Amino acid sequence: DTAVSQTPKYLVTQMGNDKSIKCEQNLGHDTMYWYKQDSKKFLKIMFSYNNKELIINETVPNRFSPKSPDKAHLNLHINSLELGDSAVYFCASSQGPAGTEAFFGQGTRLTVV
Amino acid sequence: KQEVTQIPAALSVPEGENLVLNCSFTDSAIYNLQWFRQDPGKGLTSLLLIQSSQREQTSGRLNASLDKSSGRSTLYIAASQPGDSATYLCAVLPDSWGKFQFGAGTQVVVTP
Repeated sequence: DTAVSQTPKYLVTQMGNDKSIKCEQNLGHDTMYWYKQDSKKFLKIMFSYNNKELIINETVPNRFSPKSPDKAHLNLHINSLELGDSAVYFCASSQGPAGTEAFFGQGTRLTVV
Repeated sequence: KQEVTQIPAALSVPEGENLVLNCSFTDSAIYNLQWFRQDPGKGLTSLLLIQSSQREQTSGRLNASLDKSSGRSTLYIAASQPGDSATYLCAVLPDSWGKFQFGAGTQVVVTP
């Protein structure tokens, strides 16, 4: 049973489109994250939610909007997609923001053409 | 600003050899450090978590050490197997807010 699951796994779309990536965790964690892995394989945090409240918002274009309907879900909506948005997006969760073990989903490979 | 470096970027060893993977960080004020492995096209699998107050953690063939004062962590994998081939990532938590800083990873190939 997958602990952190993301859908879709692959997403190919044209520039200018709007798309969403969904994430769900069944670990009972109260903190969820979105990370971006670029072509150089660096992972960088984008957002973090704790109990449905935004606690980390890195310097990310406001075309990216996270939404947490409940503690188990954190979705990422991206407006007006650009070529530079192509990357692998990872969702993760942990029990509280305070340094407990983080668990990652399998990633969503977004390709903007 | 915390910077995390992993050296070497790539490593190839014959099966049975011990693996030593290095991670260094610039700011010793960390909350914890976590080691992950990433298989091609897959997500990250958590291997070991070391809290800032700990010196090492062990799980099976894996042992990770932490020396905060020198800004270093080392992941040892004993008796490597072809199934250990993956990219190993080190991530440092600089505060309590879950904002991991990742290294670029070490790509490991274990040849039969």
